[in-house]
Amino acid sequence: KAGVTQTPRYLIKTRGQQVTLSCSPISGHRSVSWYQQTPGQGLQFLFEYFSETQRNKGNFPGRFSGRQFSNSRSEMNVSTLELGDSALYLCASSLVAGINYEQYFGPGTRLTVT
Amino acid sequence: KQEVTQIPAALSVPEGENLVLNCSFTDSAIYNLQWFRQDPGKGLTSLLLIQSSQREQTSGRLNASLDKSSGRSTLYIAASQPGDSATYLCAVHILTGGGNKLTFGTGTQLKVEL
Repeated sequence: KAGVTQTPRYLIKTRGQQVTLSCSPISGHRSVSWYQQTPGQGLQFLFEYFSETQRNKGNFPGRFSGRQFSNSRSEMNVSTLELGDSALYLCASSLVAGINYEQYFGPGTRLTVT
Repeated sequence: KQEVTQIPAALSVPEGENLVLNCSFTDSAIYNLQWFRQDPGKGLTSLLLIQSSQREQTSGRLNASLDKSSGRSTLYIAASQPGDSATYLCAVHILTGGGNKLTFGTGTQLKVEL
């Protein structure tokens, strides 16, 4: 069974631009979560989607948004990019949005903002 | 607010040594605890998931324990190998807003030397 896939793997953007990242969960997984990883802040939760609905949101500004499609694929969008948005963005999927289900992570998208 | 701490931050050991990585969390109202490994520039690989009703889990040379009452988990690695070199992260799984959220520790960077 294929794992979580994320595209693109690497991205370079200029400050002020916007970016869209994509995540395809493991087949059958309905919950998709997004995390930001930086050297200074570590791994921080962005948001979680289940059945096309955002159920949780972390403490990030409104420039960060996401959505989930009917096939469970998810996208996250960052508008008006800032230098501090440079990070590894990780997507995770789990079988059902239950509390005892293991989360599986993709390889991440490395975003560099110049 | 849940805070997760991992000690030590970095560890260097000779090949063959048994070692223990520690994880502590401030709020015992967790549902699961998951241990991950991360290789440089890569995504997270799930190692072990301990459900809230369990005290430990084992997979090969890895054994993880969970003591919710004291807010602690340990990851035991037996007979360490150079291939074990990576950053190890623990994450507590909490239920919020009806969905999933992982709060990550700061990580332990492990180097196993020949």
